[in-house]
Parts: sequence; structure tokens; C-alpha cells
Amino acid sequence: EVQLVESGGGLIQPGGSLRLSCAASGFTLSSTYMTWVRQPPGKGLQWVSFMYSGGNTYYTDSVRGRFTLSRDTSSNTLYLQMNTLRAEDTAVYYCARVLGTPGNAFDIWGQGTMVTVSS
Amino acid sequence: SYELTQPLSLSVALGQTAKISCAGDNIVTKNVHWYQQKPGQAPVVVIYRDTTRPSGIPERFSGSNSGNTATLTISRAQAGDEGDYYCQVWDSTTVIFGGGTKLTVL
Repeated sequence: EVQLVESGGGLIQPGGSLRLSCAASGFTLSSTYMTWVRQPPGKGLQWVSFMYSGGNTYYTDSVRGRFTLSRDTSSNTLYLQMNTLRAEDTAVYYCARVLGTPGNAFDIWGQGTMVTVSS
Repeated sequence: SYELTQPLSLSVALGQTAKISCAGDNIVTKNVHWYQQKPGQAPVVVIYRDTTRPSGIPERFSGSNSGNTATLTISRAQAGDEGDYYCQVWDSTTVIFGGGTKLTVL
């Protein structure tokens, strides 16, 4: 079964760091384009970052320089390292698979993991 | 930067047709994707590349894209269609979501 399972969310103080994981099953991350999307409480979807199958990464302006996307091919897991966290980073974070190539929809989503940045 | 504008909310009578718009500058040049999100759940793609319906999505869902507006049409609306709907495009190496439309079936 094709599936994504996120983990690593929690309560963190402003300025702190957190690493989210996205474990993939049923397909190979290294041959797939992947993305992270977040949703602040009661608000809409916000794109955060994506990774090309070749490893290139792209970020939305508000997280560039603070967040880093990486993957471990041996465990088929995608990671989002989040540093210098701010209150406005509070959200449910979803990882998702791009259907085919960039420009397409996100066809498989994880269940999401909640990140709360608060003192 | 590119922006997508959706109505905040839309109500439709049971069994009638709902049309959710997504406005963007010359959006016809982009592939538009639509997601349905129910409370507490992850989004689900219901239309991709303007008009393509994924397997498992009812034929009642259809999409169109022309000029500056893309539209998601839900025919014979059912109570289970209630939720938030988001349009989405790619703009070079950036992903853009519309603000979302809350659909209520009366």
C-alpha cells in the first residue's frame, strides 16, 4: 500500500529546533518528487518546501534559511529540519507526493503532524 | 508573486450544482489542481491538470479552466461533499494555494 506517515511534531519554544519525519511505503522516495505543506490552525494550506527526485530543494520565502529538507534512501524517509522556530510556524505539517513530475498535483498525503511553537 | 483567489464560502442545496471559482492572472496557462479537505483530515485531490478526475472520485466532480478563472463543479451535491476546497498551481519553482472555499450543502 502506498502510504506516508509523518512524525516528530510537538510543542517547542520560540527559537528552538524540531525535525519532522515522513516515512514512505509502497514507493521509492529517491525516484519521486516530494513536498511539505502546512496548515495553521483554522487557516488554509501553505506550501513549505519540495524536493526533486535528483535531490534539489526549494523553499517558500518565510522558511528559507531556517528549514532544510533531506532524505534517507536506506529508510525511505523524508526529513524536514526546522530551526529558529517562530510562533507563525505553528501548524499541522503534511508531507505529500507529487503525481509524476513538478507541475502536477499532490496525490498521496500523510495524516499530518502538529507543530506548536509557544513559550 | 502569483495569487489565487477563491470565495470564502459557498452554499448549495442538496442535489443541486455547486461551482467553486479560482481566479488568477491568465490562469488558463497553468495546470490547476483541486483538493477537498474534511475536518481533521488530510486533503484529497479531486481534480488535477484542470479536468482530470483521479480514480475513486465520483463523476459528479469536474473541472474547467478558461481565461482568468478555473472552476470546480460538483453536480448533484451530497451531504458528504461538505468541506473545504482548495485550488493549487505551480508558479515556476513555487507552489501556490488558493485561500480555500468552505462548501455547505443545505
